Amino acid sequence: SQKIEQNSEALNIQEGKTATLTCNYTNYSPAYLQWYRQDPGRGPVFLLLIRENEKEKRKERLKVTFDTTLKQSLFHITASQPADSATYLCALETGGFKTIFGAGTRLFVKA
Amino acid sequence: DTGVSQNPRHKITKRGQNVTFRCDPISEHNRLYWYRQTLGQGPEFLTYFQNEAQLEKSRLLSDRFSAERPKGSFSTLEIQRTEQGDSAMYLCASSYRGPGAYEQYFGPGTRLTVT
Repeated sequence: SQKIEQNSEALNIQEGKTATLTCNYTNYSPAYLQWYRQDPGRGPVFLLLIRENEKEKRKERLKVTFDTTLKQSLFHITASQPADSATYLCALETGGFKTIFGAGTRLFVKA
Repeated sequence: DTGVSQNPRHKITKRGQNVTFRCDPISEHNRLYWYRQTLGQGPEFLTYFQNEAQLEKSRLLSDRFSAERPKGSFSTLEIQRTEQGDSAMYLCASSYRGPGAYEQYFGPGTRLTVT
């Protein structure tokens, strides 16, 4: 079955630095991959979607890459701010209608 | 506000009781998902509706769980004979099926505690 692996350890970085989060998946390659942000006690919020034929996608300070050979997506936040502190989730559809999420990586940005 | 809403936000019940949660998706969205999330984990897929049709259901879902989406609008998730292991956050999400539209919009969730 399809699995997603994200860094289980929290990522601590200093304000202004670039945060890089990793998402690895097994089995077949999805047509697209999504990243969500989740704050404690709230539902996830959609951030970015990248398709299999796209190497890179950007939105303001966010950048996502997608390497279908490595079966990996990287999520970057440049010029990070304390307000970026949250859990970031990677998600993909399995070919039917089922969406699976990784366990998420907690990011802490220190001022 | 036209976001996804869920009710109730919190539910405490005793083991063995039945509970029902409601989700109101964004009005023009024809896709609706239910997920369960426990602490430290990502959302776990439960079931998917396209309009009123339930097109996919997780094999992890026992017979105690049932979901409906009459008329393709709001949806309900019922858990019968609740167990302590059912304690979790239940999330609903909706999306619009159209060109390039895949992102899901989540509600605030219903936190269930089974005592």
